[in-house]
Parts: sequence; structure tokens; C-alpha cells
Amino acid sequence: DAKTTQPTSMDCAEGRAANLPCNHSTISGNEYVYWYRQIHSQGPQYIIHGLKNNETNEMASLIITEDRKSSTLILPHATLRDTAVYYCIVRPTGGFKTIFGAGTRLFVKA
Amino acid sequence: GAVVSQHPSWVICKSGTSVKIECRSLDFQATTMFWYRQFPKQSLMLMATSNEGSKATYEQGVEKDKFLINHASLTLSTLTVTSAHPEDSSFYICSVTGDGEQFFGPGTRLTVL
Repeated sequence: DAKTTQPTSMDCAEGRAANLPCNHSTISGNEYVYWYRQIHSQGPQYIIHGLKNNETNEMASLIITEDRKSSTLILPHATLRDTAVYYCIVRPTGGFKTIFGAGTRLFVKA
Repeated sequence: GAVVSQHPSWVICKSGTSVKIECRSLDFQATTMFWYRQFPKQSLMLMATSNEGSKATYEQGVEKDKFLINHASLTLSTLTVTSAHPEDSSFYICSVTGDGEQFFGPGTRLTVL
């Protein structure tokens, strides 16, 4: 079973920040938080990952709470092309057997 | 990031026939590849872990005799759906690991008539 809980769907206005939450209350000390997204009929795309510090790259920011039991993926300026299913995954260091949960379906509206 | 290709991107076949799907890692050698399948409006389900030069490891509930996996080289893994039936119609996605990350192929849509 997936170790994360995410809302089923979310809406966001184009140009606004999209904040996608994820609960991973049973995360272990050696597990990273990964985010992927899947645009319709494509393979998943890596977005970002982190252990305990906040992370930022050209696509998004990842905010992890101090107790590491939850995190938020932030897309700072959502565009229509960001409409996708976003998966939050916890995975141990060096482990790649990724188990996907249901994810959050993000709709970016004009 | 790694480039992963799959061939074909889509295939339609008759019930009872076998279909082979290829997954290639284009820019580095992958000792481990993963195969997933995804039914409409559902999440990805891990089917098996493919290890170069050895037998694949299948997840519980996945028939190894129906879904044959061959990982003969460090850049190629194949998934053969044997005696396909309409319920095997799905989106099949492979994944490779490299540079400390996991990368996914574009997927192959199989439709069994």
C-alpha cells in the first residue's frame, strides 16, 4: 500500500500558485519524499525530492514540515500545461521500487 | 535526466496473440528496470522488477507466465504479453534507474480486441 495520502483533486487558476499537500505520517528516517506528475497518456515525470530541508528547482518548490509527516509541493505560477496527476511518494535512499498512490488530479483553469 | 524510450507507443492486437513491448535506456546502462501498468483513471501498478542477466521479480498477483520479461542487455528490457485478452488492455510503462534517480518511459498503450 502507498504510504502517502493526497487530496483526490484540486483546482488552480492560471498564473496563481498551486499548493499540493501530502501526508506521510509514517515516513521513516531514511525515506525521501518524491514528487512526480503524469500528464494524460504520458509516463510520469520527475519533479523534485527532499529529505528534510526545503528544496527548490526550476519546476517547483518542496516544503517539508519539521516532523517530516507532511509536505507541500508548490508550483509558483501554474499554467494550463501543469494540468496533470501529481504523485507524492516516499522512498528509501537508493531504493527505486516506486509504489504509486492515487495522486492528486490538478486542474489549472484559465 | 535519462532518456527512456518504448516501442511501440501503441498496439492493437487480436485476442489470443502475443505482444512484445520494448523499453530502452538511451543514454546509460540500466541494471534494473521496472514495468508498470495503468488502467484508465487508475494509478500505476508495479508489475515486476527486471534485472539484467537474471530472472525478473514479479509483484504479488502478476502472472509471470503471462507477462514474460527479458532483460538481456543493460539498455533493453522487453515485456511480452502472452495470449493477450481484452482485460490485458492497458497502458504499460517502463522505468529505469540511473544517476540516483528513476526515469519513466512514455508508455505503450495496448488494446486487445
